[in-house]
Amino acid sequence: DTAVSQTPKYLVTQMGNDKSIKCEQNLGHDTMYWYKQDSKKFLKIMFSYNNKELIINETVPNRFSPKSPDKAHLNLHINSLELGDSAVYFCASSQAGQGKGYTFGSGTRLTVV
Amino acid sequence: KNEVEQSPQNLTAQEGEFITINCSYSVGISALHWLQQHPGGGIVSLFMLSSGKKKHGRLIATINIQEKHSSLHITASHPRDSAVYICAVRLMDSNYQLIWGAGTKLIIKP
Repeated sequence: DTAVSQTPKYLVTQMGNDKSIKCEQNLGHDTMYWYKQDSKKFLKIMFSYNNKELIINETVPNRFSPKSPDKAHLNLHINSLELGDSAVYFCASSQAGQGKGYTFGSGTRLTVV
Repeated sequence: KNEVEQSPQNLTAQEGEFITINCSYSVGISALHWLQQHPGGGIVSLFMLSSGKKKHGRLIATINIQEKHSSLHITASHPRDSAVYICAVRLMDSNYQLIWGAGTKLIIKP
């Protein structure tokens, strides 16, 4: 069973469109994250939710909006896509205090044309 | 200067060699993570350390809190170990904020 699953794996879309990336974890973790991997391969935190509550909201354009309907899901909606939004987006989850690391999804490669 | 520095940036070795990747950091941390990113892009969490040493299979991770330094070792390296290895530190006062190193690209030749 996939622990953290993201869909879609690849997304090609035109500038100006609105798109969503979905993330689901079946690990029972209480915290989920969205990271953006830039062209230099750095992973930058975008958002984090703990038990459906937003706890990290880094400086990202407000065109990006996370939605957490329950603690097993954290979706990322992007409005008015721009060329610079092209990147790989990773979802991850963790459980505070468990002494374990992060579990990542396989990434969504977004290409805006 | 980045708060998390990894060395080397790139490493090419022959199958069977002992591999060491280093990570130094300049901030107070509560934990350090080692992650592996495969050529296909997926990221796997290898270790989370707050002290001492952990071993999993051919991988060994150590951390020296006083020296603010961690190493990842691979014994009997294999071409399937080829990947980018990333060090990330969790800040002392946060359960969630991670600072990432730039990664070390490892290529193991058969």
